[in-house]
Amino acid sequence: DTAVSQTPKYLVTQMGNDKSIKCEQNLGHDTMYWYKQDSKKFLKIMFSYNNKELIINETVPNRFSPKSPDKAHLNLHINSLELGDSAVYFCASSQGTPGGRTQYFGPGTRLLVL
Amino acid sequence: AQSVTQLDSQVPVFEEAPVELRCNYSSSVSVYLFWYVQYPNQGLQLLLKYLSGSTLVKGINGFEAEFNKSQTSFHLRKPSVHISDTAEYFCAVTFSNDYKLSFGAGTTVTVRA
Repeated sequence: DTAVSQTPKYLVTQMGNDKSIKCEQNLGHDTMYWYKQDSKKFLKIMFSYNNKELIINETVPNRFSPKSPDKAHLNLHINSLELGDSAVYFCASSQGTPGGRTQYFGPGTRLLVL
Repeated sequence: AQSVTQLDSQVPVFEEAPVELRCNYSSSVSVYLFWYVQYPNQGLQLLLKYLSGSTLVKGINGFEAEFNKSQTSFHLRKPSVHISDTAEYFCAVTFSNDYKLSFGAGTTVTVRA
């Protein structure tokens, strides 16, 4: 009965590879997000989709491409991985109008680029 | 644009002692404020949030926070901590027409016996 799930949980890969992270939510929410948490635990929004439409696209290298096949899924594809991409990536979801809505977070995907 | 400052990066505290985590925000418009907790190797979980109304907000696990508009603060408190409260705590802010949550840098709380 996991609310927001991510796969894989851990990802170790070589520089230059391409990888994808998947996120699914079973809460019936209409908005999903990707956050990056760096080694100092700082959290920053990367992307957000509302009803499959991209609504937030922060200053992120275009090697990162989100895709939302439907409201319950949001994937993140990363091309040509670099050492600096090593981080924890969190997916989150929320419902309804913006502002005061609680965001529900997944367990995170720990990416290590060697 | 809004921003959030968490004034303490690390807070060591003894079990059963009180704890206060400080959060200040800056914004030219009305804000919504949140506290999230991240236990080791887990995702973030909402502790409490302030949207409007009473400035004292009660959350889960015995935590509470007070919104102070004049001081632009939203400090988190717990009167008696447990070992299980050892975690990273994040203050976050957003406003009424924004989907984006802006997080503070986090405060590491370590509870010792």
